[in-house]
Amino acid sequence: GAGVSQSPRYKVAKRGQDVALRCDPISGHVSLFWYQQALGQGPEFLTYFQNEAQLDKSGLPSDRFFAERPEGSVSTLKIQRTQQEDSAVYLCASSRGDTQYFGPGTRLTVL
Amino acid sequence: AQSVTQPDIHITVSEGASLELRCNYSYGATPYLFWYVQSPGQGLQLLLKYFSGDTLVQGIKGFEAEFKRSQSSFNLRKPSVHWSDAAEYFCAVGDHGGSQGNLIFGKGTKLSVKP
Repeated sequence: GAGVSQSPRYKVAKRGQDVALRCDPISGHVSLFWYQQALGQGPEFLTYFQNEAQLDKSGLPSDRFFAERPEGSVSTLKIQRTQQEDSAVYLCASSRGDTQYFGPGTRLTVL
Repeated sequence: AQSVTQPDIHITVSEGASLELRCNYSYGATPYLFWYVQSPGQGLQLLLKYFSGDTLVQGIKGFEAEFKRSQSSFNLRKPSVHWSDAAEYFCAVGDHGGSQGNLIFGKGTKLSVKP
């Protein structure tokens, strides 16, 4: 079946612009996670949803970052007033059991 | 604090040689441990996982890993490396089996394979 999909795959933004990154989880997966992966680093947790409820947002680096999953399926990660330090790959993962399945990521470059 | 250490940033092995990638973790309770592989431009693919039971776990693509509680390690091994194994490998630790909690990743080990 289809895996986790993310769009766009690549995004270039000018500093100060707002961006929205989309994640389509595997159908039926209750849990959804967002991670940020800086160049040469491992992924770092941003936030977690169970269905439409955002249960943990402790990893969001600032109040410019906002995530939602209004109908318990597709999720959007929004970054307002982007800064150069926001440049990274943003990974989405979904799970129903014990394992998280990752999408290909969105590479965000802020100029 | 929970953490994962992958001591080797980059490893090069010859095709057909054996491989061992090191992973050490710091975790207050019984950890749930994972190894993922990431090819360039790709997402993370799960190789194997350990939750409990037999400390030697088998994964996909001929990989295995051994959980050693006394050493706080979960090293990844493969007896004979193929050129297609060249990628970056991440060790991760989590709780609740990864479904109800976030994963903490190491910084990764990049594997290069010589012909």
